[in-house]
Amino acid sequence: QVQLQQSGPGLVKPSQTLSLTCAISGDSVSSNSAAWNWIRQSPSRGLEWLGRTYYRSKWYNDYAVSVKSRIIINPDTSKNQFSLQLNSVTPEDTAIYYCARGTYTTGWYDYWGQGTLVPVSS
Amino acid sequence: EIVLTQSPGTLSLSPGERATLSCRASQSVSTNYLAWYQQKPGQSPRLLIYGASSRATGIPDRFSGSGSGTDFTLTISRLEPEDFAVYFCHQYGSSQTFGQGTKVEIK
Repeated sequence: QVQLQQSGPGLVKPSQTLSLTCAISGDSVSSNSAAWNWIRQSPSRGLEWLGRTYYRSKWYNDYAVSVKSRIIINPDTSKNQFSLQLNSVTPEDTAIYYCARGTYTTGWYDYWGQGTLVPVSS
Repeated sequence: EIVLTQSPGTLSLSPGERATLSCRASQSVSTNYLAWYQQKPGQSPRLLIYGASSRATGIPDRFSGSGSGTDFTLTISRLEPEDFAVYFCHQYGSSQTFGQGTKVEIK
């Protein structure tokens, strides 16, 4: 059974960096048949895919156009986890952030983390 | 970007009734790459359907998905008390986008 456990600060100030981690059990971040995603949900934007990392003989990353200039998603093979870094946040980045396993490179999300509410406020 | 529009916004039904939820795409969804999720308050989304019509592991057969191209439907044949929730569609054929959700509430 795959489980995703999220961790990270629950409050970020405007202009600072949002950082979250998703620890994987029951699968590997280096899997050749999965992609590891970050998705957020807010009342104003609904569910929004932010980006993913995946391994297919080498590491790849894809990011949503809306956040491409300020997002980094990194795998950590030593700890079997992946992370989200979102720079220069504004109140519009306030949301519940989820990590999720995607099947294959582009596919449905079959396992989700528990979600982390991240308010962006001074 | 493919925009997914779900209707209705809210569906008010009684337990035992049939629920029909619609998801319409602004352009054709490649290879029927469409999924449905259920979300209850305070919980993460739960995968119900992928590939437009394949049930995920452990999902009861009262949930079914259908459709192709730009029009997709999630049907719950007989609503159980635990089925009252918000349902989202998700296309993964061209980048990734989600519908805004349909809330199924108790009438």
